[in-house]
Amino acid sequence: AQRVTQPEKLLSVFKGAPVELKCNYSYSGSPELFWYVQYSRQRLQLLLRHISRESIKGFTADLNKGETSFHLKKPFAQEEDSAMYYCALNARAAGNKLTFGGGTRVLVKP
Amino acid sequence: DTGVSQNPRHKITKRGQNVTFRCDPISEHNRLYWYRQTLGQGPEFLTYFQNEAQLEKSRLLSDRFSAERPKGSFSTLEIQRTEQGDSAMYLCASSSTASGNTIYFGEGSWLTVV
Repeated sequence: AQRVTQPEKLLSVFKGAPVELKCNYSYSGSPELFWYVQYSRQRLQLLLRHISRESIKGFTADLNKGETSFHLKKPFAQEEDSAMYYCALNARAAGNKLTFGGGTRVLVKP
Repeated sequence: DTGVSQNPRHKITKRGQNVTFRCDPISEHNRLYWYRQTLGQGPEFLTYFQNEAQLEKSRLLSDRFSAERPKGSFSTLEIQRTEQGDSAMYLCASSSTASGNTIYFGEGSWLTVV
């Protein structure tokens, strides 16, 4: 069975500092990885997906199959980045559904 | 189109009562998903439909839970004989296999069982 682990429940950083959210997964097949974000009082929304290999709002994430990780990084955090972030895995061989990690709350202080 | 729509947004019910939630997906999205989320946890998959066919159900979905998508458009999730442990946010999501299959979420329906 697939599993996604986000070891940090809370990350608190100052504005302008780098931020890295850790995500590790376990899945024996070829995974598709995502980061979803939930801003205060808003719905869960897709931030980025590994197959796109793009930067969204300054965030990037690289899939490391050797370490089974998909960490999310941003070099200079902004106050508007304060939100809940969820890493998710789509185990395509097990049906098209997402398995989420427990989430990391990011607080960017001024 | 305003995205995935869910109602009611909040529901308080007494233990033992039945509740039903409705989800209207993004139009023309052929896949529809239900997830459950409790405080401090990520969303957990419950079930999903492709058109009107329910293709997968999680073991989390006990016999008291039933989901339908009769015409391949909106869906309902019914919980019978609610228990306090059913208190959670119920999230609906949809996607289209024709356009990349990105999953879009609704705002959720909060259930409190007292």
